[in-house]
Amino acid sequence: DGGITQSPKYLFRKEGQNVTLSCEQNLNHDAMYWYRQDPGQGLRLIYYSQIVNDFQKGDIAEGYSVSREKKESFPLTVTSAQKNPTAFYLCASSRAGDGELFFGEGSRLTVL
Amino acid sequence: GENVEQHPSTLSVQEGDSAVIKCTYSDSASNYFPWYKQELGKRPQLIIDIRSNVGEKKDQRIAVTLNKTAKHFSLHITETQPEDSAVYFCAASRGRNSGTYKYIFGTGTRLKVLA
Repeated sequence: DGGITQSPKYLFRKEGQNVTLSCEQNLNHDAMYWYRQDPGQGLRLIYYSQIVNDFQKGDIAEGYSVSREKKESFPLTVTSAQKNPTAFYLCASSRAGDGELFFGEGSRLTVL
Repeated sequence: GENVEQHPSTLSVQEGDSAVIKCTYSDSASNYFPWYKQELGKRPQLIIDIRSNVGEKKDQRIAVTLNKTAKHFSLHITETQPEDSAVYFCAASRGRNSGTYKYIFGTGTRLKVLA
């Protein structure tokens, strides 16, 4: 089955800890994205990558980091510098930034 | 920077009535405009999209219109049904020819179809 897989689905973190969210796709898509979803604020772009070993900041990149070492994988690290990390995080991919975005099921991060 | 405004934030309609959601974008280089539906607890899924060389597109009960001059695009749902209840997001992108693969989303509209 082709698709995009995020893990974990739920994650709890203590303040001051970094946490990494996984995103893997087997759709052979060039572009991958991380969005943050908060109630009433829609989907806000954190980072995106158009090609392996390259990525660009989105609108709310502060306190986050990413890597794109393989085409299939685009992990997101939420660092202790992110002031309000509790949110729902969605990973997505597209063939070439033109056409359907395929989303993962999301990861809900809660900071205790 | 690029921005997409979406209205209304919530919308309640009676079953069988029509629903209209409107978006305005700021980046005049945008040329691809998708709409996504997100049901409670699920991932967003594409329901319809339109490109800048087309003014209107229809798929059964769903239609999208685009006014490039005014930088507006709208989603129209006719004969609404309870299963249309969800959050709807509009988005804008410059498309692959621009070299920029960025999608900017609106803030979402929560649609409730009342039986």
